[in-house]
Amino acid sequence: AQKITQTQPGMFVQEKEAVTLDCTYDTSDQSYGLFWYKQPSSGEMIFLIYQGSYDEQNATEGRYSLNFQKARKSANLVISASQLGDSAMYFCAMSLRGGGFKTIFGAGTRLFVKA
Amino acid sequence: DAGITQSPRHKVTETGTPVTLRCHQTENHRYMYWYRQDPGHGLRLIHYSYGVKDTDKGEVSDGYSVSRSKTEDFLLTLESATSSQTSVYFCAISESGGTETQYFGPGTRLLVL
Repeated sequence: AQKITQTQPGMFVQEKEAVTLDCTYDTSDQSYGLFWYKQPSSGEMIFLIYQGSYDEQNATEGRYSLNFQKARKSANLVISASQLGDSAMYFCAMSLRGGGFKTIFGAGTRLFVKA
Repeated sequence: DAGITQSPRHKVTETGTPVTLRCHQTENHRYMYWYRQDPGHGLRLIHYSYGVKDTDKGEVSDGYSVSRSKTEDFLLTLESATSSQTSVYFCAISESGGTETQYFGPGTRLLVL
């Protein structure tokens, strides 16, 4: 079954420290995309980072990096130098190309950044 | 930021009434999507469109219909709203389908009493 699992419902991190949010996925498709979105308390969904299944390099966008381990089917988000504004809900998602179209979201991880 | 607006942003309605939510984009993207967000479920795809008049069902399409008569507009209709359709509804767009990045609108909070 195609599935996204985020095992950390909530996490705390000290300001200026790095934090890793876990995401594992399950699919038998060879072509897929992996995404992370941030949802602050205001409710909007903000795109953070994308990794294609054929990309050999880990994706990086500013303070965000995606630790892509294909054999383990994991796509963890690493936030470096956490800021208070990083406190939000974070969703991992997977899009699949084959057999029509499907995007699957995980249940999310709520990150709290402490001053 | 992608030019995506949703209207209304908030709506309260009664069980059994029809409701239409509108998504409007200025990016000329081919693909548009409707999701619902409920606690503990993340986002779930309701319907999507891959062109004018071309739509298909997503994971949770029962009780919903969609229409796309213009590239820029994608309508979601609840023919007869039920309390289980109380949710936050998000529209998203992407240039193409498959594994392309989707950009989201601000969301619509719907309460069905």
